[in-house]
Amino acid sequence: NAGVTQTPKFQVLKTGQSMTLQCAQDMNHNSMYWYRQDPGMGLRLIYYSASEGTTDKGEVPNGYNVSRLNKREFSLRLESAAPSQTSVYFCASSGGARGGEQYFGPGTRLTVT
Amino acid sequence: AQSVTQLGSHVSVSEGALVLLRCNYSSSVPPYLFWYVQYPNQGLQLLLKYTSAATLVKGINGFEAEFKKSETSFHLTKPSAHMSDAAEYFCAVIRGSGSARQLTFGSGTQLTVLP
Repeated sequence: NAGVTQTPKFQVLKTGQSMTLQCAQDMNHNSMYWYRQDPGMGLRLIYYSASEGTTDKGEVPNGYNVSRLNKREFSLRLESAAPSQTSVYFCASSGGARGGEQYFGPGTRLTVT
Repeated sequence: AQSVTQLGSHVSVSEGALVLLRCNYSSSVPPYLFWYVQYPNQGLQLLLKYTSAATLVKGINGFEAEFKKSETSFHLTKPSAHMSDAAEYFCAVIRGSGSARQLTFGSGTQLTVLP
């Protein structure tokens, strides 16, 4: 039982390049989330998916797209990377239990030059 | 709208001393509240959660938090700090309902434990 996995762990992009961050969970959770973490700002929600086939914008969606490929997988795409997207990206999932706790992946550290 | 404020972005304590990390919430309804811990270069791990069952909540690694409605607070404590407690701690609150529930995080408190 791996929980939430993310690939890659590290990535360096040049401005304007594109890439997709992958996330998978094996806990049969309905809800999945993408966050970015920047110093002094906590975690901010980019997009979430409450169930397979649905996605919704979070607090900071500009410059990102997502795909909920199936119940297990939720990917985050940067179509044209910008230096402002340099951050650590976390994927999380939730089973919708009372209280709604989320389980986090190890993160992807992205640098855009 | 539900939100949380963490007082103090950095806290330093000596090994063996009391740990107190402060969190105040803003919520129009009884909140669900969480504390997460993040060790260096790792993801977030749930320490404990409050879901209205009991006001004093015990978590992992000897941490506990008390929900005080009159003070709108959910401070995290540990009686005796250990070097391994050095990490960043985040308070969070649920907003929304049903399958669209989302976590809103505070800005975090970096805990340093001095030998």
